[in-house]
Amino acid sequence: DIQMTQSPSSLSASVGDRVTITCRASQSINIYLNWYQQKPGKAPKVLIYAASSLQSGVPSRFSGSGSGTEFTLAISSLQPEDFATYFCQQSYSTPWTFGQGTKVEIK
Amino acid sequence: EVQLVESGGGLVQPGGSLRLSCAASGFTFSSYLMSWVRQAPGKGLEWVANIKQDGSEKDFVDSVKGRFTISRDNGKNSVYLQMNSLRAEDTAVYYCARVSVVVVPAAQQPYYYYYYMDVWGRGTTVTVSS
Repeated sequence: DIQMTQSPSSLSASVGDRVTITCRASQSINIYLNWYQQKPGKAPKVLIYAASSLQSGVPSRFSGSGSGTEFTLAISSLQPEDFATYFCQQSYSTPWTFGQGTKVEIK
Repeated sequence: EVQLVESGGGLVQPGGSLRLSCAASGFTFSSYLMSWVRQAPGKGLEWVANIKQDGSEKDFVDSVKGRFTISRDNGKNSVYLQMNSLRAEDTAVYYCARVSVVVVPAAQQPYYYYYYMDVWGRGTTVTVSS
């Protein structure tokens, strides 16, 4: 199985900050990497697919990059509604696997 | 409106069974691969199973193989998860998700298929406890 490791596990940031989250795969996954946002008590929501493609309706302050084994989710200017947990997920091979999550909290 | 609505969760004793249902609306259900994903209390997300558009191919995470089955009824726009021999570690919120795909021509193979889960239900809670 492909293991996905996110860092950091949590971070504190202020509104307006630039935030980056890293996701590493245990083997090369090309660009088969998706990012999701989840708020407490809610279902996940896809932000980025195929490593860098922005899902329709997602604000342009979100961006994704990377290929192979290392990927990054960036939020250019953190907004109050962005405080949530973020997960990466590989769809290179089944079992599809998720990172453990990164909780973005208010400083 | 594109929507997925799960049902069928509840409290069950270890060793028991439950059947989860997911009703889809607002899109051509038969055109999409469908997934089940679960989330144990306070934990991360775990992909559980996929089923192809025509139901011909199914895939499961190892921890549920032989205990869970996935099926779909394209006439009823629904996907199901039959869970048998339930264990305490199956306790989770179970989400149904639609899987979309981006198909990209490739140099060394016919195509790349980039899958992602773009529509999610609100989830149904399964608790396995005596």
